[in-house]
Amino acid sequence: GEDVEQSLFLSVREGDSSVINCTYTDSSSTYLYWYKQEPGAGLQLLTYIFSNMDMKQDQRLTVLLNKKDKHLSLRIADTQTGDSAIYFCAESGGSYIPTFGRGTSLIVHP
Amino acid sequence: GAVVSQHPSRVICKSGTSVKIECRSLDFQATTMFWYRQFPKQSLMLMATSNEGSKATYEQGVEKDKFLINHASLTLSTLTVTSAHPEDSSFYICSASDVSSLNYGYTFGSGTRLTVV
Repeated sequence: GEDVEQSLFLSVREGDSSVINCTYTDSSSTYLYWYKQEPGAGLQLLTYIFSNMDMKQDQRLTVLLNKKDKHLSLRIADTQTGDSAIYFCAESGGSYIPTFGRGTSLIVHP
Repeated sequence: GAVVSQHPSRVICKSGTSVKIECRSLDFQATTMFWYRQFPKQSLMLMATSNEGSKATYEQGVEKDKFLINHASLTLSTLTVTSAHPEDSSFYICSASDVSSLNYGYTFGSGTRLTVV
């Protein structure tokens, strides 16, 4: 079945850039997503990218997609303490039902 | 934007009792809603797809009689954990799809922390 992998932890200093990486196996992925989950809360869609795009930028967020390598990344510029959360990578194919990775805990320290 | 309300946010129940969790789409109609379960430090596991007016579609390994899903209207789906046991303690999250924006239309509820004692 489909598999989405991402590292479990990332620690950065406030003001630095954060890069969260994700790999997936489903070659028929149509949409790829990044979700943010704060403690005890549901998931908030941060951004998404269509599979025929290489890059998408939205304010401090930059998504890069390497479809050949099935690699997706999320870059957060000028990371703030409020960015501390778990970030989930997800992909969906024809069914549009997303498959999630295990989430990357981003810790931002002063 | 689309909002999904999930209630309750936390519930503690005794072993053997049943618990109902509600998921409502507040400003859009959702013919399809999804129920996920999240274990600590793990990803979301899709439990079932809830279809308005018809039976839910359960993922492999999910007990239909244990996790009852009802989607009686276009804005409400409920998940009932029947005869709950401590191993059912988990974080349950629903999501709904606004079909007018299918590519990014998955809106999640805030989740329900279930603790069975």
